[in-house]
Amino acid sequence: AQKVTQAQTEISVVEKEDVTLDCVYETRDTTYYLFWYKQPPSGELVFLIRRNSFDEQNEISGRYSWNFQKSTSSFNFTITASQVVDSAVYFCALSDTGRRALTFGSGTRLQVQP
Amino acid sequence: DTGVSQDPRHKITKRGQNVTFRCDPISEHNRLYWYRQTLGQGPEFLTYFQNEAQLEKSRLLSDRFSAERPKGSFSTLEIQRTEQGDSAMYLCASSLAGFQDTQYFGPGTRLTVL
Repeated sequence: AQKVTQAQTEISVVEKEDVTLDCVYETRDTTYYLFWYKQPPSGELVFLIRRNSFDEQNEISGRYSWNFQKSTSSFNFTITASQVVDSAVYFCALSDTGRRALTFGSGTRLQVQP
Repeated sequence: DTGVSQDPRHKITKRGQNVTFRCDPISEHNRLYWYRQTLGQGPEFLTYFQNEAQLEKSRLLSDRFSAERPKGSFSTLEIQRTEQGDSAMYLCASSLAGFQDTQYFGPGTRLTVL
């Protein structure tokens, strides 16, 4: 069975601080895919990144970076120099070859104060 | 590019009434998913289509729920005899089957059952 755990329910930071959102996953499949989505107050889920299980390279996109570690089944997301516009709920999600649908974590609400 | 669209955006109904939601996927996408999201939770999978075939249904999809994708393009989700527990955001996503099978979400339909 698949499971995604986001232990941080809510994080509050001041603008320009760095913040890391944690994600731990469980799956029996050796081929799987990990995702991060952002849900701003408007409600629409916005795709941020997809990672394949066989590609453990970390990725950086502007102020965003992702750290994928198979050894600890974690796929953490770091925002550098946070901005007020980063305030949203962030979801980590998992799919594998046995199940195309996404299994989501419960989300982490990030509040960036000016 | 036109993203995933959903109609209506909001629906208020009385308990016992039937409601129908529509989802139009990204035009070249052959996979279409329905999810439900309640307050403070991550989205939960309901069902998924590849072209017009419904390939998977969640245990969450009770007998009162039915989904169709008659021509492999748009999809409808109908809830019969609505209950207060059906109040939620109903999200539609689409993807293109293949190596980069990433789901893109629509804005959702918020259902309130009085």
